[in-house]
Amino acid sequence: DARVTQTPRHKVTEMGQEVTMRCQPILGHNTVFWYRQTMMQGLELLAYFRNRAPLDDSGMPKDRFSAEMPDATLATLKIQPSEPRDSAVYFCASGLEPGARAFFGQGTRLTVV
Amino acid sequence: QKEVEQDPGPLSVPEGAIVSLNCTYSNSAFQYFMWYRQYSRKGPELLMYTYSSGNKEDGRFTAQVDKSSKYISLFIRDSQPSDSATYLCAFYSGYSTLTFGKGTMLLVSP
Repeated sequence: DARVTQTPRHKVTEMGQEVTMRCQPILGHNTVFWYRQTMMQGLELLAYFRNRAPLDDSGMPKDRFSAEMPDATLATLKIQPSEPRDSAVYFCASGLEPGARAFFGQGTRLTVV
Repeated sequence: QKEVEQDPGPLSVPEGAIVSLNCTYSNSAFQYFMWYRQYSRKGPELLMYTYSSGNKEDGRFTAQVDKSSKYISLFIRDSQPSDSATYLCAFYSGYSTLTFGKGTMLLVSP
């Protein structure tokens, strides 16, 4: 059963530490999304890749966040330095265009103390 | 005007009721319309996917799109306690990214 795999599932870290989240998209999918979900804001797009090229990262705080796809089987989202306001659930999703039907992973629940 | 409007709920109904969930949108470029279901502490899962105006049925679920009114709906027939979740509408324009509503929490009581 093909699925998007995210690691770690939970992360608790201290303010100022670097956090790296990883995502394995579904094999063959050519689009990858990173979303952040909070109660207040809902799902916010952080980054969007098509064929491994970054197309939209306008929702991402550039001074501390970075997203990459070193290869077709791995997407990463890094936060350095982390802050308490970064506490949220981070989702990775992959899809096949056209239509961008996105399939989500189970998320990484990040708590920054 | 927000790009997508969705009532957060919660919407509470008894088991067996017909549920109607709705979203309005303002971006005329949206071409693809989706509904996701999200259980607590889980990732959203794609429930319904439509491209054009009209109705699409899948079991107890019917998705309806009215492009002229910029309004989409999800109907759930014979609702079950297992349908209790947050339902998110989502939109795709074909050259940008997925835009989500904030979700409506549905509670179906036995």
